[in-house]
Amino acid sequence: EADIYQTPRYLVIGTGKKITLECSQTMGHDKMYWYQQDPGMELHLIHYSYGVNSTEKGDLSSESTVSRIRTEHFPLTLESARPSHTSQYLCASSDPTDSNQPQHFGDGTRLSIL
Amino acid sequence: AQKITQTQPGMFVQEKEAVTLDCTYDTSDPSYGLFWYKQPSSGEMIFLIYQGSYDQQNATEGRYSLNFQKARKSANLVISASQLGDSAMYFCAMREVPKTGNQFYFGTGTSLTVIP
Repeated sequence: EADIYQTPRYLVIGTGKKITLECSQTMGHDKMYWYQQDPGMELHLIHYSYGVNSTEKGDLSSESTVSRIRTEHFPLTLESARPSHTSQYLCASSDPTDSNQPQHFGDGTRLSIL
Repeated sequence: AQKITQTQPGMFVQEKEAVTLDCTYDTSDPSYGLFWYKQPSSGEMIFLIYQGSYDQQNATEGRYSLNFQKARKSANLVISASQLGDSAMYFCAMREVPKTGNQFYFGTGTSLTVIP
């Protein structure tokens, strides 16, 4: 059973606020990912990490930033939220040593910026 | 070039019938994995089934099976005896290991609606 948790599940907040979306996993996976997804649309990779102190930008340019100070924790931060940031954000992790294993996803955070 | 192509934006199926969701992939790596995920309207991604590039048999998991045709680079998902709860988005994904350091690629998804 995958154990990856995202909080909050839903967030409605005003423009200009600083937001941090939390993601934690208890599987000891080195690789973690953040995806942005509009309803009914494809996933866009915005950040990933190979391990502690490693962060990389994904395929889709994003104004968000990430950090990886601990293996289990991969938070995503928006310094100043805008309505264009309204979307669902999915966090995932994978075991890079086992190619048979899928990415494990959290339940997502649905973000609405007013 | 797209790594994963799903050409069916939307599909309809009658309850209790079988349905095939198409997926083609593009890779030059000999070692790769193929995955299907289900995403209901609640938004979470649920892993359904996996096929490895060296697997000789098609993968099966309950009502899900993967029709793997390596020469055609296709990995279609077959859902048998559709249920109303199967209505969801379905994503095909590929994992390349040697070349891209364990990167996953997703298709654009297929929206499946099961009709009572």
